[in-house]
Amino acid sequence: EVQLLESGGGLVQPGGSLRLSCAASGFSFSTYVMIWVRQAPGKGLEWVSVITDSGANTFYADSVKGRFTISRDNSKNTLYLQMNSLRADDTAVYYCAKRPVGYYFDSWGQGTLVTVSS
Amino acid sequence: QTVVTQESSFSVSPGGTVTFTCGLSSGSVSTSYYPSWYQQTPGQAPRTLIHSTNSRSSGVPDRFSASILGNKAALTITGAQAEDESDYYCLLYVGSGIWVFGGGTKLTVL
Repeated sequence: EVQLLESGGGLVQPGGSLRLSCAASGFSFSTYVMIWVRQAPGKGLEWVSVITDSGANTFYADSVKGRFTISRDNSKNTLYLQMNSLRADDTAVYYCAKRPVGYYFDSWGQGTLVTVSS
Repeated sequence: QTVVTQESSFSVSPGGTVTFTCGLSSGSVSTSYYPSWYQQTPGQAPRTLIHSTNSRSSGVPDRFSASILGNKAALTITGAQAEDESDYYCLLYVGSGIWVFGGGTKLTVL
């Protein structure tokens, strides 16, 4: 069974940093593209970032480009999101997801809440 | 900046049929955007319903179907049930490693 477990969320001050992790199990992590998606309170889903299976290529939404960095450690079956220069509008539940063959996301974690506030 | 448009809300009676759409602020949605659809209830992670325009994910009831209607992607629920009351999001792949979600449609079943 595919499992994705996010961690690392919490309360951080504006301008601060946080690193999210997503521990994967139940599938061959190193062969799949992985995704971060977020959802601000009471708002819709927003695609944040994607990383290829090897980690060689990464892409970002304009809203986080230059501030967030996606990475992965295939030896630890773990996906990361380093978030710097955090702003109040980065407050959201952050989900990791798996991209199968195709252009969609088929498995989701339960999310971790990031709150940016002073 | 690509904007994906969805109706903000819909209401359907139990047993009824409802169709949501997913469009682009500029241009037409085609299969080349690989539209997919997700269902989300409050406090829960999204659930993948449909991918690659019209392929149901494993375990999704066949009352859910999807297609391209005119210049938009569309999700249809035929014979809506109370448990279908959720938010529904479409997702488009716009190329160059970039995806965009629509704003979501809130479905009320009453």
